[in-house]
Amino acid sequence: GESVGLHLPTLSVQEGDNSIINCAYSNSASDYFIWYKQESGKGPQFIIDIRSNMDKRQGQRVTVLLNKTVKHLSLQIAATQPGDSAVYFCAENIGSNYKLTFGKGTLLTVNP
Amino acid sequence: DAGVIQSPRHEVTEMGQEVTLRCKPISGHNSLFWYRQTMMRGLELLIYFNNNVPIDDSGMPEDRFSAKMPNASFSTLKIQPSEPRDSAVYFCASSLVQGQETQYFGPGTRLLVL
Repeated sequence: GESVGLHLPTLSVQEGDNSIINCAYSNSASDYFIWYKQESGKGPQFIIDIRSNMDKRQGQRVTVLLNKTVKHLSLQIAATQPGDSAVYFCAENIGSNYKLTFGKGTLLTVNP
Repeated sequence: DAGVIQSPRHEVTEMGQEVTLRCKPISGHNSLFWYRQTMMRGLELLIYFNNNVPIDDSGMPEDRFSAKMPNASFSTLKIQPSEPRDSAVYFCASSLVQGQETQYFGPGTRLLVL
């Protein structure tokens, strides 16, 4: 989900479990979505993207699901590892517009 | 590819001083973005260049901020004079073309204005 102000939503999982991070996007006209991972002290790193003509896309250990009906995006991480600990952002884009609108982020903590 | 390169990585300065942040986009990318990240406001787009031309600077906070892109491989973001409320992490990102292309971010410059 999204947050307001200083508090990020947090998700704490055990190493080896599957993680699901959710994002409610704002604009029903958005047709391109990206998930970024940001580790402490680093810039956002591209993970996976999906266009609105798809409802699922898989990468290495990650799957993105898109539900346009309820404007919901999720990122599933299989067999979560300590190195997956980071803040995860979803971003949305409309048409050929260059602007990405970022969510507030979710902090994922993986416990060994 | 080295990715987006930013310098300096950290900058500490006193209020009133000029600050210049630098960015080298990924070679071949023709879109460049400057963002600011704070805990309160998250990631904010400051300015966007396409083919070295500023297209949208509506996110630039005020006249104290200026950005240039003299060529395809270099951009600067300048703050003059700096204020404590400018303290943030500033990211540069680049993408291959305008539109629905992934933006690749640099490591950021962490700015502290005392």
